[in-house]
Amino acid sequence: GENVEQHPSTLSVQEGDSAVIKCTYSDSASNYFPWYKQELGKRPQLIIDIRSNVGEKKDQRIAVTLNKTAKHFSLHITETQPEDSAVYFCAALFLYGGATNKLIFGTGTLLAVQP
Amino acid sequence: DAGVIQSPRHEVTEMGQEVTLRCKPISGHDYLFWYRQTMMRGLELLIYFNNNVPIDDSGMPEDRFSAKMPNASFSTLKIQPSEPRDSAVYFCASSQQNRGLLAFFGQGTRLTVV
Repeated sequence: GENVEQHPSTLSVQEGDSAVIKCTYSDSASNYFPWYKQELGKRPQLIIDIRSNVGEKKDQRIAVTLNKTAKHFSLHITETQPEDSAVYFCAALFLYGGATNKLIFGTGTLLAVQP
Repeated sequence: DAGVIQSPRHEVTEMGQEVTLRCKPISGHDYLFWYRQTMMRGLELLIYFNNNVPIDDSGMPEDRFSAKMPNASFSTLKIQPSEPRDSAVYFCASSQQNRGLLAFFGQGTRLTVV
């Protein structure tokens, strides 16, 4: 079935350290993997995404890596800052053809950056 | 563009009452999703539409839940009758097929059923 697992559920780091969040997915056909950041009381917002024809993508302090063989992808945040504190969700696009493709989310990681 | 607009932002209702949540997707987006977020279950996909047509409603928890999309700019999620376990934040999101289902979320409706 459709499944996206995300670890850890909570992560506490010191300001300036790196944070890594990992996700695995069940459908080998999945080809699109976005990451969302949700601050307390706000909506999830896309921060970075990666497609299966790419192994790594960077955007300033944020990077995402993808291992299609192992069916896992990871979010890396370097030089963390207190404003990085939020819940992060990974997601994977499950392909059933045409209009029936479905975006399934992981269960989220609460990241706390300690000043 | 104002983004995805949901109303109301907060809803408190008594058990047994009907609740209707509303969503206006981003203009031009051909997909609309309804998600439910709770601490225990995270973000759950309830139902989604493509070009106003329901594609997959397998995430709708019970027959008490129903969703409609009468036109490209409006959708409703209805719970009748509501129960305390329906308390959650309900998000609507929209996207375009040609952008790989990149989803933009509304601000959510926080529903409390007492």
